[in-house]
Amino acid sequence: GENVEQHPSTLSVQEGDSAVIKCTYSDSASNYFPWYKQELGKRPQLIIDIRSNVGEKKDQRIAVTLNKTAKHFSLHITETQPEDSAVYFCAASRKNTGFQKLVFGTGTRLLVSP
Amino acid sequence: NAGVTQTPKFRILKIGQSMTLQCTQDMNHNYMYWYRQDPGMGLKLIYYSVGAGITDKGEVPNGYNVSRSTTEDFPLRLELAAPSQTSVYFCASSYDRVGGYTFGSGTRLTVV
Repeated sequence: GENVEQHPSTLSVQEGDSAVIKCTYSDSASNYFPWYKQELGKRPQLIIDIRSNVGEKKDQRIAVTLNKTAKHFSLHITETQPEDSAVYFCAASRKNTGFQKLVFGTGTRLLVSP
Repeated sequence: NAGVTQTPKFRILKIGQSMTLQCTQDMNHNYMYWYRQDPGMGLKLIYYSVGAGITDKGEVPNGYNVSRSTTEDFPLRLELAAPSQTSVYFCASSYDRVGGYTFGSGTRLTVV
């Protein structure tokens, strides 16, 4: 089955710096790659996603890139702010016969210091 | 529109006790899921459902059961609680086969 690895497990940056979180996946048939943000004690929330027919997607300060050949995808956060501090999860899935299940990475704890 | 609602938010169980974690969604989503999140780990799929009356096992189904009698509700049952089931449980739903999930607020379960 699909296996998703995520690095780093912890990332500390200064406010205004950029942050990059990387994930690799094992199933070359995977075609959907979402990113979730989970603030302390709260539910994961979808912040951006990308499908396999697109190489990059941006939404204001966040962007996701996908390299299908290398089977990795990354989350980029520019001009980080203290409110970006959270745990970020990547996930991957592929469409089976009628159904698609997300497999999550182990998470990256991002700390943005003022 | 409440989204995905989970109850209870917290629960302490003794070993061998049983309980049901409730999950309901008001978005008319066909697809529903139960995940568990252990400290420092990602989310592991316990069970999922593609529609009323249809359920299937995920990665870690042992010790759990589910039912899906309506589109809205997807309860998770623990029959004989064990310390290994101490975790945070998230219910989620999605509109279609290819898309993001909406998560509930979670249930923090401790088995002592």
